[in-house]
Amino acid sequence: DQQVKQNSPSLSVQEGRISILNCDYTNSMFDYFLWYKKYPAEGPTFLISISSIKDKNEDGRFTVFLNKSAKHLSLHIVPSQPGDSAVYFCAARGPSLGGASGTYKYIFGTGTRLKVLA
Amino acid sequence: DGGITQSPKYLFRKEGQNVTLSCEQNLNHDAMYWYRQDPGQGLRLIYYSQIVNDFQKGDIAEGYSVSREKKESFPLTVTSAQKNPTAFYLCAAAPGGGGYGYTFGSGTRLTVV
Repeated sequence: DQQVKQNSPSLSVQEGRISILNCDYTNSMFDYFLWYKKYPAEGPTFLISISSIKDKNEDGRFTVFLNKSAKHLSLHIVPSQPGDSAVYFCAARGPSLGGASGTYKYIFGTGTRLKVLA
Repeated sequence: DGGITQSPKYLFRKEGQNVTLSCEQNLNHDAMYWYRQDPGQGLRLIYYSQIVNDFQKGDIAEGYSVSREKKESFPLTVTSAQKNPTAFYLCAAAPGGGGYGYTFGSGTRLTVV
């Protein structure tokens, strides 16, 4: 049961244009979402996040939008640059894993490969 | 410069062998995790540990084992019982409380030959 879905496995965008990456989730209890960027043979790096009490969060060229009623979030990259070419994962904060440290499990989507064409 | 170090970057294993993947962190984070990435799939949780000398199975723990003898270290052993071990393995760490995402290592690519 895939609770976090990225239905577009790949996306190609011209340099300078907007890239829009989409993510859908099924569990209305998810309260925090993140986007990670991953280059080949490297670990994912944190890009941007959003809490469920907000509908938008912006950081430079990157903006994440959250539509809770639709259980949908999107990542906008404007303007897109060739260095943005990577796989992008969205992740939702799942239940607490319990214990004294208060850590959580994150559920990841399958990723979208973005290619920005020069 | 704080971070997570995974080694080796590439690892080849013969059928029937156990191999151990190393993960070391100097972030002083309490929790550590092992994920597996396969083509076309999201990251799947293998094991996690919230404190030293304690660890729990994730969603796909069969054929794997871990230890957490030190806060900084969380090695993963891929045993011969793991039926399809070829994958990209990622170690992550997170501070206690809040739950604001992971820091990942650079990964180990394991190939069975």
